[in-house]
Amino acid sequence: DGGITQSPKYLFRKEGQNVTLSCEQNLNHDAMYWYRQDPGQGLRLIYYSQIVNDFQKGDIAEGYSVSREKKESFPLTVTSAQKNPTAFYLCATAGTGGVYGYTFGSGTRLTVV
Amino acid sequence: AQTVTQSQPEMSVQEAETVTLSCTYDTSESDYYLFWYKQPPSRQMILVIRQEAYKQQNATENRFSVNFQKAAKSFSLKISDSQLGDAAMYFCAYRSPEKLVFGKGTKLTVNP
Repeated sequence: DGGITQSPKYLFRKEGQNVTLSCEQNLNHDAMYWYRQDPGQGLRLIYYSQIVNDFQKGDIAEGYSVSREKKESFPLTVTSAQKNPTAFYLCATAGTGGVYGYTFGSGTRLTVV
Repeated sequence: AQTVTQSQPEMSVQEAETVTLSCTYDTSESDYYLFWYKQPPSRQMILVIRQEAYKQQNATENRFSVNFQKAAKSFSLKISDSQLGDAAMYFCAYRSPEKLVFGKGTKLTVNP
């Protein structure tokens, strides 16, 4: 079945450590996105990539980094520069320019202690 | 920049009744797409319904329908014959060329 795999589902890290969240897709979609979800804040865009080897900052990119070396993969690194990293992170993909909506992964809950 | 506003943080409805969730948006574009997503307790985002701005006809998907008022920039979601499984967070979203912009969501409770 085609879909998006985010791993791990839960992630615990100590403050000051970098951590990488995985997002893999087999939908053959060109565009991939990372959103952050906090209670009462909706979904906010961190980074997006519309083609391999290219990506753009979203609305809250500070403290995060990404890479897009393969069409299928778009990992997100949460660095120690991110002030409040504890959140729920969602990866999404879009084909045909997103006019039919985005497909979402099941998310990763990151807790920094 | 496009913005999406959901003015009802929480709503409740009795099972089998009808409920309407509100959404307004701001844009200067004339052609665009709007969506409603459902996020149940599992936190999986599920696409509920889609509306193309250039189509005057309101979209319908089974018990879910929208009231799209382009001039007023309003895009409300009506859920008919509410079921316990409809309990979830509902997000309104606007598609710009680069991204989906989301509202802050409405938490829907369905009472038996």
